[in-house]
Amino acid sequence: DAKTTQPPSMDCAEGRAANLPCNHSTISGNEYVYWYRQIHSQGPQYIIHGLKNNETNEMASLIITEDRKSSTLILPHATLRDTAVYYCILYSGGGADGLTFGKGTHLIIQP
Amino acid sequence: DTAVSQTPKYLVTQMGNDKSIKCEQNLGHDTMYWYKQDSKKFLKIMFSYNNKELIINETVPNRFSPKSPDKAHLNLHINSLELGDSAVYFCASSPGGLAGYNEQFFGPGTRLTVL
Repeated sequence: DAKTTQPPSMDCAEGRAANLPCNHSTISGNEYVYWYRQIHSQGPQYIIHGLKNNETNEMASLIITEDRKSSTLILPHATLRDTAVYYCILYSGGGADGLTFGKGTHLIIQP
Repeated sequence: DTAVSQTPKYLVTQMGNDKSIKCEQNLGHDTMYWYKQDSKKFLKIMFSYNNKELIINETVPNRFSPKSPDKAHLNLHINSLELGDSAVYFCASSPGGLAGYNEQFFGPGTRLTVL
């Protein structure tokens, strides 16, 4: 049961903004949208999360539509080191539950 | 000062053997996890421990036995290894306890190869 849908792969030119979409049309009211990424041969890395409002941190911005049925992760100035698989995950647990990873989007930053 | 560390990084062993993977976190987190990433790169939760108590056991064969001697450590012991156990195993930790909050910190992974 895939709760999120992401494109399998995307390309982006180095220095440009990378916009990664995620559809979650069946999201529940108490589910947060989390983004993680996994650089080749490394453990996954937390990027950002949000519930309703748009969020920004030092790594990225998260834009959630008003109906919360989709979101976009924005890497403002992509570098080659941003090449990774990006996972959009819904979470509503009590803080000690595992995350359910889907297939993610393989983002390739082109020089 | 690695936040979440795992040993060994690589483990090659024969079918039928018993092996352990160790995980330690120095973040002061209450919750620790084990995930398995198979050859198709699917990442799945196996276990979750909160304050040394088992919270989640996701349909994992009972040949896999996690052990948490204290909050900072969660080791994974695997009995009677099978070919299908070959995968990368990731340990993770999170502060735990806050509804909806689950920023997890992952270790570098242990690549297990069963021959």
